[in-house]
Amino acid sequence: DAKTTQPPSMDCAEGRAANLPCNHSTISGNEYVYWYRQIHSQGPQYIIHGLKNNETNEMASLIITEDRKSSTLILPHATLRDTAVYYCIVRGDNYGQNFVFGPGTRLSVLP
Amino acid sequence: SAVISQKPSRDICQRGTSLTIQCQVDSQVTMMFWYRQQPGQSLTLIATANQGSEATYESGFVIDKFPISRPNLTFSTLTVSNMSPEDSSIYLCSARGSGNTIYFGEGSWLTVV
Repeated sequence: DAKTTQPPSMDCAEGRAANLPCNHSTISGNEYVYWYRQIHSQGPQYIIHGLKNNETNEMASLIITEDRKSSTLILPHATLRDTAVYYCIVRGDNYGQNFVFGPGTRLSVLP
Repeated sequence: SAVISQKPSRDICQRGTSLTIQCQVDSQVTMMFWYRQQPGQSLTLIATANQGSEATYESGFVIDKFPISRPNLTFSTLTVSNMSPEDSSIYLCSARGSGNTIYFGEGSWLTVV
């Protein structure tokens, strides 16, 4: 079972920041938070991951709370092409551990 | 990141037949995986494709139904055997290189009629 809880859907206005929350209250010390997204008709795309520090790359920022029980993925200026299902996944650093996908959040960016 | 190509990208198959999906990675990777995504659902891991040995299947998936090969570090196949309409899904290949991040192919959309 997925170790994360996400809202099933969210809307965001084009050009505004999209803030996607994820709860992972049972996360353990060696587990990372990963984010993927799946645009319709495509395979999942890696976005970002982090352990406890906030992370930023060219696609998004990841904010992890100090207790690590929740996180937020931020798309700073959402575009229509960001409409997708966003998956938050918690995974340990054990190389053999699998990625377990929950239902994700369906983000709709509106014009 | 790895670039992952799957063939076929889409197919319509007759009930009772089998289909083999191919997955090619553009660089050597340590691990390859096969996922299934049923209509409107999230991804479910079918198995880990092990190079040179039998695949490791997740609960609910068996080798007779989903035989997997991985002859080298860049290539794997998944066969969906004796298909029924319930097998209509997207089948996704993924791979992990030296890091812990996994990357996905575009998927193979299978419709069984």
